Amino acid sequence: ETGVTQSPTHLIKTRGQQVTLRCSSQSGHNTVSWYQQALGQGPQFIFQYYREEENGRGNFPPRFSGLQFPNYSSELNVNALELDDSALYLCASSLSGSGNTIYFGEGSWLTVV
Amino acid sequence: QKEVEQNSGPLSVPEGAIASLNCTYSDRVSQSFFWYRQYSGKSPELIMSIYSNGDKEDGRFTAQLNKASQYVSLLIRDSQPSDSATYLCAVMDSNYQLIWGAGTKLIIKP
Repeated sequence: ETGVTQSPTHLIKTRGQQVTLRCSSQSGHNTVSWYQQALGQGPQFIFQYYREEENGRGNFPPRFSGLQFPNYSSELNVNALELDDSALYLCASSLSGSGNTIYFGEGSWLTVV
Repeated sequence: QKEVEQNSGPLSVPEGAIASLNCTYSDRVSQSFFWYRQYSGKSPELIMSIYSNGDKEDGRFTAQLNKASQYVSLLIRDSQPSDSATYLCAVMDSNYQLIWGAGTKLIIKP
C-alpha cells in the first residue's frame, strides 16, 4: 500500500466525451503528478502540481487539464476524448524539492470507444 | 530530448539464476534513478532507488549506477517465477519529473 488512492479504477467513455479522474495523495505529500501509460509503453509525464499550482507539463495538449486542492488531492480532466486517450492513468505523490521517492496509486484504466 | 532506453525483451532466465536488467539515459545532470516492477494490469511498484555511483543491495536485488557511462542496472539473484514482470527504469530530471524507459519484460522459467 502506497497511501495513494485513485478513482475510478476502470471506466469506458465515448469519443468526444469528457472524463474526470481523481487522486488522493499520501499524507504529508504536497506534490502530485499524473502519467499516461499506453499498452506496452512506459508512463509518459502529463503534468505536476505543487501547492495547487501547475509547475511542470509534458507534451500533452490543453484538453488535458488538472487541479490540486488545499488537501493536496487532485483531479485530471480530459476533454474531447480521442481513441488514443485509452490508457492507464497514474497518479503519483511525493514530497517536493528533494528528489524523494514517488509513490503511485493503482491507476485508472480508461477505454475510449 | 531526454531519453531513457531499455531493451524491451522478453528476457528469459531460469529459476534460481541471476537476472540482469540494463538501462541507459541521456540527461547527464540526472541525480535520482529508480527501478519499478509492473505486473500485467497493475501500476508500477518501486523496487529500488539509487543516487550514488556504485552498488546498492536490498535483499535479492542489487542496483548499480555508473554516472560517467550513464547507465543503471538491476540484478535479481535467485530469480523466482514471481519475479516475472515488466521492469521499468525511471530517471528524475532537474525539474523532479520522471522520465521512463519502455520497460523490459522478464520471464523466469521454472
